[in-house]
Amino acid sequence: GAGVSQTPSNKVTEKGKYVELRCDPISGHTALYWYRQSLGQGPEFLIYFQGTGAADDSGLPNDRFFAVRPEGSVSTLKIQRTERGDSAMYLCASSHDRYTEAFFGQGTRLTVV
Amino acid sequence: SQQGEEDPQALSIQEGENATMNCSYKTSINNLQWYRQNSGRGLVHLILIRSNEREKHSGRLRVTLDTSKKSSSLLITASRAADTASYFCATVPNAGGTSYGKLTFGQGTILTVHP
Repeated sequence: GAGVSQTPSNKVTEKGKYVELRCDPISGHTALYWYRQSLGQGPEFLIYFQGTGAADDSGLPNDRFFAVRPEGSVSTLKIQRTERGDSAMYLCASSHDRYTEAFFGQGTRLTVV
Repeated sequence: SQQGEEDPQALSIQEGENATMNCSYKTSINNLQWYRQNSGRGLVHLILIRSNEREKHSGRLRVTLDTSKKSSSLLITASRAADTASYFCATVPNAGGTSYGKLTFGQGTILTVHP
């Protein structure tokens, strides 16, 4: 089957705009994770879903960031009132369950101008 | 915030040589994982070592874990140009609600293998 799919692969938006980033996990994977990676750094955890619910959202930097997974499959990361500092690679990963390793998508590179 | 440090930050070697990368971390862990990233895109899982394990092998990869020193190393033997990538260690804390995908990454080592 297909791996984790993220769309779009690149997104350029103007400061202050709203953006949505989509993640299609591997079919049957119950756990889904979002990470953010700035240039030259390792990825930083944002939020983790187990099924439809956010099991841990401790990494979301502020209330402009929100994520949903309404049917326990596809997830959307939403960023309101984007700022230039939000520019980064946003990575999604999924795993069969919480006790197995995660598989990453190719990421969405977000640039806020 | 990053869990720890990786050493070296960059490593340049010739094809056929071995490459060793080190990782240190700060808190008690359930397991430690190594990932590879090509050209700043998606990460590929390489190997997972649990806190009660000391060494693990997978093909040309050898990972060691020393929980007393809170450190791990990744050895790539007989390197190839295709091994050129960034390598990250990532830890899963030893805490309630552990999830193997909720990772704290280091800053990575950039490995360049010259043909």
